Amino acid sequence: DTAVSQTPKYLVTQMGNDKSIKCEQNLGHDTMYWYKQDSKKFLKIMFSYNNKELIINETVPNRFSPKSPDKAHLNLHINSLELGDSAVYFCASSPLRGNQPQHFGDGTRLSIL
Amino acid sequence: GDSVTQMEGPVTLSEEAFLTINCTYTATGYPSLFWYVQYPGEGLQLLLKATKADDKGSNKGFEATYRKETTSFHLEKGSVQVSDSAVYFCALVSGTYKYIFGTGTRLKVLA
Repeated sequence: DTAVSQTPKYLVTQMGNDKSIKCEQNLGHDTMYWYKQDSKKFLKIMFSYNNKELIINETVPNRFSPKSPDKAHLNLHINSLELGDSAVYFCASSPLRGNQPQHFGDGTRLSIL
Repeated sequence: GDSVTQMEGPVTLSEEAFLTINCTYTATGYPSLFWYVQYPGEGLQLLLKATKADDKGSNKGFEATYRKETTSFHLEKGSVQVSDSAVYFCALVSGTYKYIFGTGTRLKVLA
C-alpha cells in the first residue's frame, strides 16, 4: 500500500492554464504539506494543513490554492500557470507530535510549455 | 530562526570509499534530526533519525550521531556503493510541525 500518493506523476501544460494536483495519505497522520523542488533540488515549503486547518502559508503567489477536504487529502490548485512554476511538487504528511519524520509522495513533475 | 546547513556537492567517490556529508544546525529548543535520501525520479525517503543528544541513527550502513555540543549531525558510511548515488538531505523539526531542510548534497559513486 502506498503511504502518500500523488496524482498525476507528470503534468505537461501550456502557460495560462489552470491545473490541480491531488494528494492522499493512508497513514492516519494529522498534518499534510506541499513542497516545491526546483531544478537544483532545493526544497521549499509552500503550505501545511493540520486536520483541515491551514497552519503554514509561506510566501507563495495567490495563484496557488491548497484545499483539504479531510485530513487524509490535500490538493493543490494552480491558476494561470507561468513558466516559473515548472518544478517537482511533493506532498508529505506527518503525525502532529513533532519529533517524527515526514513521509513523502513520489512527486508531480510539472512542465509548462 | 531555525536553520540547517549542509555541505555543497556534488560529492564524487569511488566505490568502497568512505563517505562523510557534513550537516550543522541552529535551533531553539531540542530538535529531532533526520537524514533523507532522494533517488532519481523519486520522493524523499527517511534514511535515519535521532531525537536527542548523543543518539546515533543508523540504517543501510549509514550512521549519524546527534552532537549537541557542536550542533552537528554528519552522515557517514564506511564503504559506499554505486547504488548509493542519490541526493541526501539533512533536516530538523523543532516544535510540532515546522520542518527545516538543508539544500541537499548530491552523491555520485563511480564503479
